[in-house]
Amino acid sequence: GQSLEQPSEVTAVEGAIVQINCTYQTSGFYGLSWYQQHDGGAPTFLSYNALDGLEETGRFSSFLSRSDSYGYLLLQELQMKDSASYFCAVLNNAGNMLTFGGGTRLMVKP
Amino acid sequence: NAGVTQTPKFQVLKTGQSMTLQCAQDMNHEYMSWYRQDPGMGLRLIHYSVGAGITDQGEVPNGYNVSRSTTEDFPLRLLSAAPSQTSVYFCASSYSREQFFGPGTRLTVL
Repeated sequence: GQSLEQPSEVTAVEGAIVQINCTYQTSGFYGLSWYQQHDGGAPTFLSYNALDGLEETGRFSSFLSRSDSYGYLLLQELQMKDSASYFCAVLNNAGNMLTFGGGTRLMVKP
Repeated sequence: NAGVTQTPKFQVLKTGQSMTLQCAQDMNHEYMSWYRQDPGMGLRLIHYSVGAGITDQGEVPNGYNVSRSTTEDFPLRLLSAAPSQTSVYFCASSYSREQFFGPGTRLTVL
């Protein structure tokens, strides 16, 4: 089966940098995605890593190490609007199935 | 483009009732999927489809049926609702690694 682990909650201050880790166990691994979800809203796509290394998109970066079954999401210059839940998700089964972790609730304080 | 739309937004059912959750997308995406999200948890894949006429089971398919007669529509049927199916249901569509989610249907089964 598939399993993903990420911290349940992280707190940081405005302007800081925060890293959300994700470890996974899966078969047929294709890639690791990250999604953001505000309370009451739908998940929105942030990033996707298929190969080892760092992908940067504005203030957000995502890292993958396939050999360690590990990835992280890095959020820089935190803003209040970044307060949300962040989910890592593994894409497998020929790219047809997305399995989500339990989510990390990020609280950004002034 | 409306993106991914879902109806209804809210629904209350009694145990044993059946109903269909509607999902439509206007982005011509081949891939569509249904997830459920329970409080404080990640999303779990119920069923998915890689194109019209093709459906497959996800992680938690029991108690749900799907069909895909057109590219645009992917309805989810609850055959005989149970309290354990109380959840928020999200439909998503995709053409690559990014999934676009609908606004969700909040379902309560009494």
